[in-house]
Amino acid sequence: DIQMTQSPSSVSASVGDRVTIICRASQGISSWLAWFQQKPGKAPKLLIYAASNLQSGVPSRFSGSGSGTDFTLIISSLQPEDFATYYCQQAHSFPWTFGPGTKVDIK
Amino acid sequence: EVQLVESGGGLVQPGGSLRLSCAASGFTFSDYTMNWVRQAPGKGPEWVSYIRGGSNPIYSGSTIYYADSVRGRFTISRDNAKRSLYLQMNSLRADDTAVYYCARERNLKSRYMDVWGKGTTVIVSS
Repeated sequence: DIQMTQSPSSVSASVGDRVTIICRASQGISSWLAWFQQKPGKAPKLLIYAASNLQSGVPSRFSGSGSGTDFTLIISSLQPEDFATYYCQQAHSFPWTFGPGTKVDIK
Repeated sequence: EVQLVESGGGLVQPGGSLRLSCAASGFTFSDYTMNWVRQAPGKGPEWVSYIRGGSNPIYSGSTIYYADSVRGRFTISRDNAKRSLYLQMNSLRADDTAVYYCARERNLKSRYMDVWGKGTTVIVSS
């Protein structure tokens, strides 16, 4: 199975800050990577697919990059509604696997 | 409006069975590949199972994958006429306790889960 890791596990930030989250795959997954946002009690929400493609309706302050084993999610200017947990997920091969998550909370 | 609504969760004893359902609306259900994803309390999401959609009878409904943790105990199925996805769960264990989500893939070539239901809670406990 492909193992996904994320760093940091949590980050405290202020509104307006730039936030960077790293995701690494245990083997190359080309660009088969998604980023999800999840708020408490809610289902995950797709933000980015194919490593760098913004899902329809997602604000442009979210961006993704990377390929192979190393990926990055950037929130360019954190907004109050962005405080949540973020997960990466590989869609290269079964079983689909998720990273452990990065919690973004208020500084 | 594109929507997925799960049902069928509840409290069940270890070794018991449950059948989860997911009702789809607002899109042509048969055209889409579907997944079940679960999330244990305080944990991240865990993919459970996949069933392919589309019009090709060779693949649609017969291309199925499972996580190792549920293979042999869970069975995914779909009824395109009823626009519904199912997960038959047998021999349930305490570590199957989770919120179970159904999720649609963006399209047959995409592999990315773009629409999720709100989830149904399964608690396995004596």
